[in-house]
Amino acid sequence: DAGVTQSPTHLIKTRGQQVTLRCSPKSGHDTVSWYQQALGQGPQFIFQYYEEEERQRGNFPDRFSGHQFPNYSSELNVNALLLGDSALYLCASSLSEGALDTQYFGPGTRLTVL
Amino acid sequence: AQKVTQAQTEISVVEKEDVTLDCVYETRDTTYYLFWYKQPPSGELVFLIRRNSFDEQNEISGRYSWNFQKSTSSFNFTITASQVVDSAVYFCALSEAAAAGNKLTFGGGTRVLVKP
Repeated sequence: DAGVTQSPTHLIKTRGQQVTLRCSPKSGHDTVSWYQQALGQGPQFIFQYYEEEERQRGNFPDRFSGHQFPNYSSELNVNALLLGDSALYLCASSLSEGALDTQYFGPGTRLTVL
Repeated sequence: AQKVTQAQTEISVVEKEDVTLDCVYETRDTTYYLFWYKQPPSGELVFLIRRNSFDEQNEISGRYSWNFQKSTSSFNFTITASQVVDSAVYFCALSEAAAAGNKLTFGGGTRVLVKP
């Protein structure tokens, strides 16, 4: 049973550039959430996708956008990168059956903005 | 708005000692879920346990146990007979039932170092 996968593992960009991160959910899961984890802090919720729509969003600017595909995989896009966007980006998947299913996390993508 | 506080930033113990991690939460919802996740140096968050707000029964699962007390809004987690492999950062998280979706609000984490 494949778990949550993310690509790439590491990424280095410069300020002002744009980046796309990818996530494939755990088999059987239909909901994908994205989190940003700065060094030494807890993860912060960015947004969640279900049925190809953004269902919930955290306090992140519009530079952060996403997409969910019919196969439930998802992308996170960040435009106009800032130094402060350097972080570990975590994807989590869950099954939207019932109110609150457990979220399972991928290994993350470490983004460095220079 | 929901909030999770983990007052302990780092705990260091010697192998076989017990470790208790504190978690205090704030929410206006009457129905919510509480979680503990482990983050080893590899970075991946590993799900450990989940508790419903309407079930305050405390349980033990292997070397893990938890103490959920709604009266004090606390959800503490204990590792019994710690091992070196338990060294990691542990996060407490909260999810509210009222909102659409199951967004997790995390605490700042507690780093556990188990020395041989």
